[in-house]
Amino acid sequence: QQPVQSPQAVILREGEDAVINCSSSKALYSVHWYRQKHGEAPVFLMILLKGGEQKGHDKISASFNEKKQQSSLYLTASQLSYSGTYFCGTVLISGSARQLTFGSGTQLTVLP
Amino acid sequence: NAGVTQTPKFRVLKTGQSMTLLCAQDMNHEYMYWYRQDPGMGLRLIHYSVGEGTTAKGEVPDGYNVSRLKKQNFLLGLESAAPSQTSVYFCASSYRAGGPGETQYFGPGTRLLVL
Repeated sequence: QQPVQSPQAVILREGEDAVINCSSSKALYSVHWYRQKHGEAPVFLMILLKGGEQKGHDKISASFNEKKQQSSLYLTASQLSYSGTYFCGTVLISGSARQLTFGSGTQLTVLP
Repeated sequence: NAGVTQTPKFRVLKTGQSMTLLCAQDMNHEYMYWYRQDPGMGLRLIHYSVGEGTTAKGEVPDGYNVSRLKKQNFLLGLESAAPSQTSVYFCASSYRAGGPGETQYFGPGTRLLVL
């Protein structure tokens, strides 16, 4: 069951904030966030585990609302280096082997 | 420490030809995965392995076979390539499933074009 990401694309100016959402129709064990730059491999950003935690990494943070089966990625004071496609990956509680299912991605473009 | 490496980086095949993609990791990870990435589709799991000698089907396994004879290697085979298998293939590995160990480390990808 592929998670749904929104928006599909966002364009912002350097220094602006952005929020990327990821939602699932099934109960989640964990949510993973990855960033992929054009022509490169996805790079891990953070994991959020069941328990409704919130994490941060520099000016990128995320939350996980397990009751709503939703996660949001917050990018504050965006930098040019934040440009890329952001993927959320979800692991279902009912999953047999902790398979990660990725959303279709959100393309983020930061302009100077 | 090379992490996850993939061979080859790029390949062109004719319909019906076969080939094997090689993935190697030097992090002593138990779990390994093969994904394909198509425009607008995100990453889709083809096959995965939870340890040496084991393999399992993912979301889109048809037309592919895999083998994990050694812990550090995970091979993806295409027996009879089709144009629909034109894609970018990523291999990934993780220490284990569950908890922080779930972090997946990706290889640089293999671009495959089937004519």
